[in-house]
Amino acid sequence: SAVISQKPSRDICQRGTSLTIQCQVDSQVTMMFWYRQQPGQSLTLIATANQGSEATYESGFVIDKFPISRPNLTFSTLTVSNMSPEDSSIYLCSVRGGFGDTGELFFGEGSRLTVL
Amino acid sequence: GENVEQHPSTLSVQEGDSAVIKCTYSDSASNYFPWYKQELGKRPQLIIDIRSNVGEKKDQRIAVTLNKTAKHFSLHITETQPEDSAVYFCAASNANSGYSTLTFGKGTMLLVSP
Repeated sequence: SAVISQKPSRDICQRGTSLTIQCQVDSQVTMMFWYRQQPGQSLTLIATANQGSEATYESGFVIDKFPISRPNLTFSTLTVSNMSPEDSSIYLCSVRGGFGDTGELFFGEGSRLTVL
Repeated sequence: GENVEQHPSTLSVQEGDSAVIKCTYSDSASNYFPWYKQELGKRPQLIIDIRSNVGEKKDQRIAVTLNKTAKHFSLHITETQPEDSAVYFCAASNANSGYSTLTFGKGTMLLVSP
């Protein structure tokens, strides 16, 4: 299993500002995943963060809006830049367990952002 | 890319009844199919998963079936209890790829009434 800590757990932000979410895992992992869950919606993958290389973004998400850092094998950050009310969501950090990162996907508690 | 459809979007049952949630997927290369339960305000948690080399898997009151030919899989919950009330998400991925991301369905809100 993996224990994932995220912070902040929630925040209220003003339009046009940026917020950085931190994710700490209790073990070394190759890939860390950032998901977005809009109110009442499913989980949408934003990007995959690999240590030592640029993050890989899914269609519809760009680095300028969601810059990601991955300085080591247990930590990552996601920044939500120039926020608008449409960015109000829960942002979830996750990692895969098992050999070769093919096992169960574990999630952090999420960071609930409200943009006014 | 993979597309996962999930039905129904909401499901109301009486305590003790069975509940069935169905998903279809589009990528024939997908071979790993987990189900996640998300209680209100909580993180999603894995409840059961199945790989394409088996057709059915059971764990107490929950079971998952997979039909690879038809590209659909289902979650079955028997003897439902109020604590089963939550949103359930199915997902699919190709676990053999070196970049194995999960694609989630839109979720099913299950309400079990006492």
